[in-house]
Parts: sequence; C-alpha cells; structure tokens
Amino acid sequence: DIQMTQSPSSVSASVGDRVTITCRASQDISNWLAWYQQKPGNPPKLLIYAASTLQSGVPSKFSGSGSGTDFTLTISSLQAEDFATYYCQQANSFSRTFGQGTKVEIK
Amino acid sequence: EVQLLESGGGLVQPGGSLRLSCAASGFTFDSYVMSWVRQAPGKGLEWVSTVTFSGGNTYYADSVKGRFTISRDNSKNTLYLQMNSLRAEDTAVYFCAKESGSGLHFDYWGQGTLVTVSS
Repeated sequence: DIQMTQSPSSVSASVGDRVTITCRASQDISNWLAWYQQKPGNPPKLLIYAASTLQSGVPSKFSGSGSGTDFTLTISSLQAEDFATYYCQQANSFSRTFGQGTKVEIK
Repeated sequence: EVQLLESGGGLVQPGGSLRLSCAASGFTFDSYVMSWVRQAPGKGLEWVSTVTFSGGNTYYADSVKGRFTISRDNSKNTLYLQMNSLRAEDTAVYFCAKESGSGLHFDYWGQGTLVTVSS
C-alpha cells in the first residue's frame, strides 16, 4: 500500500502568516493527490484535488503543488477560519490512504 | 444539494456486529463510487472500504478485510457497511463519502455516525 507522510504534524501561526504543509508519498502517484480541511466536530472538506485544482467554492488563498512523490499545500494569508487540521490523501489506487494530518494552531 | 445521512452507529460489545447505513440524495447515486472512512477519537482519517457503481467491485483496508462488508442498494440510494467481529480498535466515527467523478477523491461527506466497541 502507498504510505503518505505529512509534515509538520502541527504548526503554530499567526493571522496573516503564510503556511506550507508538505506531504510525501511512498511511491510515485503522479498528481493523484487531494487535500482536505477538517474542523472539530465536522467532516472533512475537500480543498484541492489533482494536486493543484481548487475545488469549487474554495478561496484562492489555498493552493497546491507537486507531482510524483512530493506535494505541498499553501495557505497564503492565514485567517481565523483557517485554523483546523489538514489531511492529504493519495487518489492513485483504490486503497486510498491519508496522511496523518497537520494541525494549524493559533500562535 | 448533495446530502449523505449516516445511521446505525451505537455501542456494541467486542465480537458483536453492527450495520451502518448511508442515505444519499441530491445526485444520481448509481453514477458514483461510494466509500466509508473512519476516524478514531482524537485520531486521523482512515479509509475503510469502497464500492463501485453497481456494487460489482469492492475494496477494503487490511484492518477490516474479512470482517466488514460494503454494499449498496441503488434502488434505495443507500450505502451499507456490515461490520462483524468488532474490536475495540474499530471504535470511531464512520463517515460515508461520495467520490468525485473525476478522480479517487471525496467531494462530499456525511456528518458521521459513532461506533463504540466496548464491554
């Protein structure tokens, strides 16, 4: 199975900061990578798919990049509503796997 | 509007069984692959199982293979997860998720149903 490793596991940041989260796949997954945001008590919300395609309705402050094994999610200017946990997910095979999550906390 | 409503969760003893349901609306159910994803308390997301459009193909995480069975009834727009031989480590919120038609990612999620395995 493909393993997904996110880093960091948590990050403390201030409103207005630029935040970057990385995700590494254990094998080449081309651009079959999605990112989700989850807030406590809620289901995950799809942000980005195909590594860099913004889901409809998601603000452009979120962006994704990468291909092969290394990917990044960037939040250009952190706002209060962005404090949450973010997960990557490989979409390359039917055995979908998620990264362990990155919690973005208020500094 | 796409809606996914899970039901069937609850408290069950180790070794017991439970059947989860997910009622779908707002989209053409039989045109989309559907999945179950779970989240143990305070932990991350874990993919559990996937079923293709007509139910002809099913896929399982190693952690549930041989114990869980995914199925769907397209006439009722409902997804199911039959869970047998439950273990304490199966305790989690179980989410029903719709897969996008353009890739193996999940574009809509239900609110989840909590399964607690404890004596």
